[in-house]
Amino acid sequence: GAGVSQSPSNKVTEKGKDVELRCDPISGHTALYWYRQSLGQGLEFLIYFQGNSAPDKSGLPSDRFSAERTGGSVSTLTIQRTQQEDSAVYLCASSLEGTSGRYEQYFGPGTRLTVT
Amino acid sequence: GNSVTQMEGPVTLSEEAFLTINCTYTATGYPSLFWYVQYPGEGLQLLLKATKADDKGSNKGFEATYRKETTSFHLEKGSVQVSDSAVYFCALKENTGFQKLVFGTGTRLLVSP
Repeated sequence: GAGVSQSPSNKVTEKGKDVELRCDPISGHTALYWYRQSLGQGLEFLIYFQGNSAPDKSGLPSDRFSAERTGGSVSTLTIQRTQQEDSAVYLCASSLEGTSGRYEQYFGPGTRLTVT
Repeated sequence: GNSVTQMEGPVTLSEEAFLTINCTYTATGYPSLFWYVQYPGEGLQLLLKATKADDKGSNKGFEATYRKETTSFHLEKGSVQVSDSAVYFCALKENTGFQKLVFGTGTRLLVSP
């Protein structure tokens, strides 16, 4: 079956511009996670969705970062006024549900963001 | 807070050599522990996991044992192959709350023929 998909796979943007990154989770997965993989910081958690709500936003690095999820499915991560330190690979993962701990997180291929 | 520390790479080995990648963790409570692998050009994949002390996770010839007394989850393989070349991430997940993964920095493994 289809896995987690992310688009675009690569994005180059100029400093100060806004970007939107998209994640399509596995069908039926209610839990969705965003992570960021950067050279200096490794792999960091950004935000967690259960359904359309985000009970854990603790990893968002600044108020320039926001995310939403609609229809319990697609999620969009938006970065406003991008900075060079936002350059990273943004990973999305989904799991059947997020509270019991029984279910594996499946990762997408990531979006590589480069801010010039 | 919770954290994972793993050995820095790259680890360079010849084919059929023995592999150990060290991983230690700091956590409150009793987390689940994972090894993820990222092959070149691909996404993260779960390699193996252990959910309680003394559990051994195993997959594709890789093994790791959850050692509560040393807070460790070292990854081992008896005989590596060129196709094992990848980046390996150790991670933990709290068994309460919202189940986010906390990752180590990753260890690149390079296996030469």
